[in-house]
Amino acid sequence: AQRVTQPEKLLSVFKGAPVELKCNYSYSGSPELFWYVQYSRQRLQLLLRHISRESIKGFTADLNKGETSFHLKKPFAQEEDSAMYYCALSFTGNQFYFGTGTSLTVIP
Amino acid sequence: GAGVSQSPRYKVAKRGQDVALRCDPISGHVSLFWYQQALGQGPEFLTYFQNEAQLDKSGLPSDRFFAERPEGSVSTLKIQRTQQEDSAVYLCASSLASWGNEQFFGPGTRLTVL
Repeated sequence: AQRVTQPEKLLSVFKGAPVELKCNYSYSGSPELFWYVQYSRQRLQLLLRHISRESIKGFTADLNKGETSFHLKKPFAQEEDSAMYYCALSFTGNQFYFGTGTSLTVIP
Repeated sequence: GAGVSQSPRYKVAKRGQDVALRCDPISGHVSLFWYQQALGQGPEFLTYFQNEAQLDKSGLPSDRFFAERPEGSVSTLKIQRTQQEDSAVYLCASSLASWGNEQFFGPGTRLTVL
C-alpha cells in the first residue's frame, strides 16, 4: 500500500514566487514525517522533520493530521532550491517510507 | 570525519551472477539502513540493523537478497543470482540511533544487470 504520495513528479516556478510541494500520507496513528532533498550530483540529505518545527533554508512544513498532509512550502523560491524533494514517513522508527519524489525547477 | 561511503559506486553484472555491495557507515552510528531505488522512484526500505543485529528485513524482495553487519560497523548487501529487475541504485544510510534521528545517506551503488 502506498503510504506516501507526492502527486507532482515535476514542478516549475519562477524565482521569487511561492512554492508548495505536496505530500499526503496514509497512516492512522502518529507518524514521524520528514522532507529529504537531493541536489544535483549530491547525496540525499535531510531537509526538515515535523517534530523539530524548524525552518530550514526558508522552507517550512506543517503536519495536518486531519488532511493527512505534510506539504513543504517556501514563500520566495531561489534558483538554488532546484532539486529533487522526497517526503518520508516513519511509524516504527526502523522503517522509512519515501514518496516518489518531486523535481523542483526554479526558473531564473 | 567522512560521511557514509559505499563501494563499488557502479556495478555491472550478468544475469545470474552474485554481487556484494559494501557500506561503511559513519563511525559510532548505531543504526544502518539499506534502500533500493529504482529509476524514477523513491528509495524503498530493504532492511535495518541496530549494531550487528538485523532487526527488520521485511523489505528484502526475495531470499536472493541477504545483508549482514557482523561487527556492528561495515555492512554488506549480497544479491545472489541477479535478475534484470534487481537493476537499481542501492542506498545505505546510518544514524546515531533509530527513532526520529536523521539518516545520513551514502552516494549509492548503481547496479545494472544485463
